[in-house]
Amino acid sequence: NAGVTQTPKFQVLKTGQSMTLQCAQDMNHEYMSWYRQDPGMGLRLIHYSVGAGITDQGEVPNGYNVSRSTTEDFPLRLLSAAPSQTSVYFCASSYSPEGGKLFFGSGTQLSVL
Amino acid sequence: AQTVTQSQPEMSVQEAETVTLSCTYDTSESDYYLFWYKQPPSRQMILVIRQEAYKQQNATENRFSVNFQKAAKSFSLKISDSQLGDAAMYFCAYRSGGQGGSEKLVFGKGTKLTVNP
Repeated sequence: NAGVTQTPKFQVLKTGQSMTLQCAQDMNHEYMSWYRQDPGMGLRLIHYSVGAGITDQGEVPNGYNVSRSTTEDFPLRLLSAAPSQTSVYFCASSYSPEGGKLFFGSGTQLSVL
Repeated sequence: AQTVTQSQPEMSVQEAETVTLSCTYDTSESDYYLFWYKQPPSRQMILVIRQEAYKQQNATENRFSVNFQKAAKSFSLKISDSQLGDAAMYFCAYRSGGQGGSEKLVFGKGTKLTVNP
């Protein structure tokens, strides 16, 4: 059982470049989300989805775009990377009746130069 | 908006001893969930323990237990018989209640736990 798979694990971008962080889950969870983790800041919610075709903004959505065309996949797009987006990104999925039991991917370390 | 505060950026404990990590939260809701997540050096986030606010009984998972004080809005994690593998960042988190609701979690800033041999 793969759980939540994130790719890539590491990425270096130049300011202004765009890229997509991939996230896939094989547990048929309806809920998926993206968090970023910065030193001393904990995890902060970027975007989330409660099902295919439904997305919404979290606490820090600016500069990021998401879509959810299937239950399994929830990619995060950086439209024009900025140094402030240097962070570790986590994708998570959950089954709402088990409120808050998030299954996390292994994270993506992103550096924007 | 709900907030979660972890006042101890770092803690240390001797192997086999007991340590308590503190967490307080602010909310006007009566129905919610609280969590402790562990992040070892591997970076993988792992759920340690979950507490439903309407349950007065404190949750336990093997060597991990919580002291949930709803009126005081306090949710501390006690680790008994600490092991080297317990060394990690620990995050306290909050989720609003309701099974049909969003799974948005609010995290504290974390406490780094060191276990000394």
